Amino acid sequence: DGGITQSPKYLFRKEGQNVTLSCEQNLNHDAMYWYRQDPGQGLRLIYYSQIVNDFQKGDIAEGYSVSREKKESFPLTVTSAQKNPTAFYLCATSGYNEQFFGPGTRLTVL
Amino acid sequence: SQKIEQNSEALNIQEGKTATLTCNYTNYSPAYLQWYRQDPGRGPVFLLLIRENEKEKRKERLKVTFDTTLKQSLFHITASQPADSATYLCALGGMNRDDKIIFGKGTRLHILP
Repeated sequence: DGGITQSPKYLFRKEGQNVTLSCEQNLNHDAMYWYRQDPGQGLRLIYYSQIVNDFQKGDIAEGYSVSREKKESFPLTVTSAQKNPTAFYLCATSGYNEQFFGPGTRLTVL
Repeated sequence: SQKIEQNSEALNIQEGKTATLTCNYTNYSPAYLQWYRQDPGRGPVFLLLIRENEKEKRKERLKVTFDTTLKQSLFHITASQPADSATYLCALGGMNRDDKIIFGKGTRLHILP
């Protein structure tokens, strides 16, 4: 099956800990994105990557980091510097004029 | 700054009627506009794309209009069904492939049986 996988589906973190969210795709798309979704806020862009070994900050990059060592993978690390990390995180790739989204990871900080 | 508004946070429609959702934008000249469906706890799913030079696009029971003068898109679901209940997001895209897509906050649609 072609698509985007994100893991884990649910993630619990203690304050002060870094956590890494996984995103893998087999659609052979160059561009990949990380969004954060909060109730009533819509999708906000964290980081995006147009090509391997290159990525750019989105609108809310503070407290997050990414890497793009392989075309298939775009992991997101939520660092302890992120003040309010509890949210639903969505990974996406870009096809021709549409975005394909993964199933999301719900992160809760305890 | 660029702004995109979906002017109903939630919308209740009786089953069988046409649901109409609105998307307005300012300070932007998009090359195209998209509509996505999102179910609770899941990622959005692409539904339709309409380009700036198109007035209307249809797909089964879905119809999208795009008025670049009014800076508005309307999304219609005809003969609505309870299974159409979901959040619908509109999104704007630019001319260049590396232009970021801007998403609205979404409208929660409830189709009442």
